[in-house]
Amino acid sequence: EDKVVQSPLSLVVHEGDTVTLNCSYEVTNFRSLLWYKQEKKAPTFLFMLTSSGIEKKSGRLSSILDKKELFSILNITATQTGDSAIYLCAVEAGSARQLTFGSGTQLTVLP
Amino acid sequence: EPEVTQTPSHQVTQMGQEVILRCVPISNHLYFYWYRQILGQKVEFLVSFYNNEISEKSEIFDDQFSVERPDGSNFTLKIRSTKLEDSAMYFCASSSRLGPANTGELFFGEGSRLTVL
Repeated sequence: EDKVVQSPLSLVVHEGDTVTLNCSYEVTNFRSLLWYKQEKKAPTFLFMLTSSGIEKKSGRLSSILDKKELFSILNITATQTGDSAIYLCAVEAGSARQLTFGSGTQLTVLP
Repeated sequence: EPEVTQTPSHQVTQMGQEVILRCVPISNHLYFYWYRQILGQKVEFLVSFYNNEISEKSEIFDDQFSVERPDGSNFTLKIRSTKLEDSAMYFCASSSRLGPANTGELFFGEGSRLTVL
């Protein structure tokens, strides 16, 4: 059974801090790993990673994948209160083409 | 920016009633999905749909569930006889699958919250 584990489950930081969110996976026939931000309702897409060692960057957010060690990290620098959300990691694997989600990391950024 | 839209945003129903949740995927996308998230739990895959038929379905997607693309734009999820445990947020998603390795990011709708009493 495909498994995606995120850590920490929750994190409270102050504005300006840098955070690192972790995602490890055990899947058969890995295809891609995706990061989503879930604020109130719909997960909104952040990154899709398919290759090891290539950092994807969008503003203060960046992510990298290690296919040998089977994990990914999501970094957020200079956090803002608007970054408060649940960050979801999901893996697409096998021929099934569906995503298996982790439980998410609840990030709270205090002013 | 194109988006996936879902209706209704919230539906309350009695146990045993039929429910239809509607979705309009992004117009040039070819792959459609339903996911659900029970309050406080993980987002779970229900079903994927391509070329007017189901591609994959999870164990959750039993005979009480069905999907349909009745016209060129709508994608519906029907629950025939709702149970209390069907209470969840149901997300529709679509994908173009034109990215590297024939993957493509999923774009999610805002969700339909179903409450079964």
